[in-house]
Amino acid sequence: AQTVTQSQPEMSVQEAETVTLSCTYDTSENNYYLFWYKQPPSRQMILVIRQEAYKQQNATENRFSVNFQKAAKSFSLKISDSQLGDTAMYFCAFTTGTASKLTFGTGTRLQVTL
Amino acid sequence: DVKVTQSSRYLVKRTGEKVFLECVQDMDHENMFWYRQDPGLGLRLIYFSYDVKMKEKGDIPEGYSVSREKKERFSLILESASTNQTSMYLCASSLWSGYSNQPQHFGDGTRLSIL
Repeated sequence: AQTVTQSQPEMSVQEAETVTLSCTYDTSENNYYLFWYKQPPSRQMILVIRQEAYKQQNATENRFSVNFQKAAKSFSLKISDSQLGDTAMYFCAFTTGTASKLTFGTGTRLQVTL
Repeated sequence: DVKVTQSSRYLVKRTGEKVFLECVQDMDHENMFWYRQDPGLGLRLIYFSYDVKMKEKGDIPEGYSVSREKKERFSLILESASTNQTSMYLCASSLWSGYSNQPQHFGDGTRLSIL
């Protein structure tokens, strides 16, 4: 079975600081894709960043970057220079091969404070 | 931008009713999905569809069915609503590129309460 584990149900960070959200996954597949999604209090889920497992280089999108450790099956999200607008639920997810289904973690609620 | 529209933001129904949740996407996406979101459980896939009239069960299909008569529309049906189906329901769509690296685009969600 494919699983995603987010071990931090809640986190808090001060504005302008850096925070890292952890995610581990389990799959026997070799070809897969990893995603971080953000769900702000207004509820619409949006893509933050994605990573192809065959790429060794870590993905970055502006203030968001990942630390992808394939051997350890770890895919953490780093948010630099945190902003109040980063307050949201963050979900880690992955999909394998040619399938389209996503397996989600249980989420981390991030609160950015002044 | 892709727009995924769910017909209701909030819905209250009674036990035993047949409930329809509608979802429409405007980007000609092949794939469409229905999830339910519960605190502490994340998102769980109910059903998905990769083409018109095609559907596959997700992880928790019991008590639900789906319909996809047109490419842009994907309906979730609760055949006989029960209180344990009170939840947030999210619809999503994605492009099929031959690989599963395309992101899913989500609607705003429907908060369904079964009394």
